Amino acid sequence: DTGVSQDPRHKITKRGQNVTFRCDPISEHNRLYWYRQTLGQGPEFLTYFQNEAQLEKSRLLSDRFSAERPKGSFSTLEIQRTEQGDSAMYLCASSGRQGSYNEQFFGPGTRLTVL
Amino acid sequence: RKEVEQDPGPFNVPEGATVAFNCTYSNSASQSFFWYRQDCRKEPKLLMSVYSSGNEDGRFTAQLNRASQYISLLIRDSKLSDSATYLCVVNDAGGTSYGKLTFGQGTILTVHP
Repeated sequence: DTGVSQDPRHKITKRGQNVTFRCDPISEHNRLYWYRQTLGQGPEFLTYFQNEAQLEKSRLLSDRFSAERPKGSFSTLEIQRTEQGDSAMYLCASSGRQGSYNEQFFGPGTRLTVL
Repeated sequence: RKEVEQDPGPFNVPEGATVAFNCTYSNSASQSFFWYRQDCRKEPKLLMSVYSSGNEDGRFTAQLNRASQYISLLIRDSKLSDSATYLCVVNDAGGTSYGKLTFGQGTILTVHP
């Protein structure tokens, strides 16, 4: 499978715990995006990487959130001291040399539940 | 005001019906427009891009009116398999936006026998 992959697919945690999600983009894609989607809403942009550089962060990304893409390949999104309001689907997307300039391919998402 | 607004529906239509979804966007500098489809508990997938000249892909027709900042999607001869959430999406590539996508809240479509 050469699509975007995310791990884990589901995560249940207690309030106050830290969680980390991983995204593996389509190989050769140099752009990587993180979005968050809550029930009944469309995805909301969180942050963007071009290669290893984090070029844009949404105001939704509080200081409890940190994202990295250390070698310009996979990316991680960490949430520290989770809150119940962090419960959502976290989607990763990539784009780049394959396909049209603007087409972003989404992974299956990581569904986070904070108890 | 939300950047991208859609009627959330739900739309419940019989097989074979024609259904239209509308969407408005607030940023007049937006450059690219799309419709994505999202099945229940799945990731969004690109359905089609939207061009000012209008474009058609089989039973699906998309239109863009830049002056009114309005986007539409028409589905003809609805199939049961068309049941999904349809997301209106705007890309503000250029300037400092780096191509992030801004999504509407989605319109739920259910096609019944």
